[in-house]
Amino acid sequence: GAVVSQHPSRVICKSGTSVKIECRSLDFQATTMFWYRQFPKQSLMLMATSNEGSKATYEQGVEKDKFLINHASLTLSTLTVTSAHPEDSSFYICSARYYGSGTDTQYFGPGTRLTVL
Amino acid sequence: AQSVTQLGSHVSVSEGALVLLRCNYSSSVPPYLFWYVQYPNQGLQLLLKYTSAATLVKGINGFEAEFKKSETSFHLTKPSAHMSDAAEYFCAVGNGNEKLTFGTGTRLTIIP
Repeated sequence: GAVVSQHPSRVICKSGTSVKIECRSLDFQATTMFWYRQFPKQSLMLMATSNEGSKATYEQGVEKDKFLINHASLTLSTLTVTSAHPEDSSFYICSARYYGSGTDTQYFGPGTRLTVL
Repeated sequence: AQSVTQLGSHVSVSEGALVLLRCNYSSSVPPYLFWYVQYPNQGLQLLLKYTSAATLVKGINGFEAEFKKSETSFHLTKPSAHMSDAAEYFCAVGNGNEKLTFGTGTRLTIIP
């Protein structure tokens, strides 16, 4: 089956620093990837849609200058949280859209837990 | 606009009993509907999806869901609960397989 990985799985950083999270589709090419944010005991909220070779599309209320997204290849999208603050602490999950074998499905990564001190 | 309502943030069933997790949706276009499962500190795994074909959708791990347009519902069921089914379950609606809107989730607890 289609596999999506994320790195790192956990990261702790100091307030004011930047953190990069990678999302990789391991056995398929994904022209579209999605970034979600999940607060404790809450649902996933779509932050942005990442398209290979073009600018990401951000959801309303998401600061594009704070959450930088780069989708430089068909298997890799990165989310950089710039100047992180404690309120950015959350579980960040990516997904990759897979087309193939008559299916069109989003496959999710295992998530990255960010803690900002 | 699309939205999803999951009734019951917590559901407990005995091992071997029927599992029923409720999901109602709102969509201005024919919806794509999904059920995902999330185990602690992990991402989401697709259980099943409805994409305007058969209204009864069978998924993995013995789960199935029935699309009822008249009731705008897509409830998830499993005839016999297993301990390994304990997890968080999310219903989602999408316009195709693009942007998904998730419900608030239902935590399923299995009682031995």
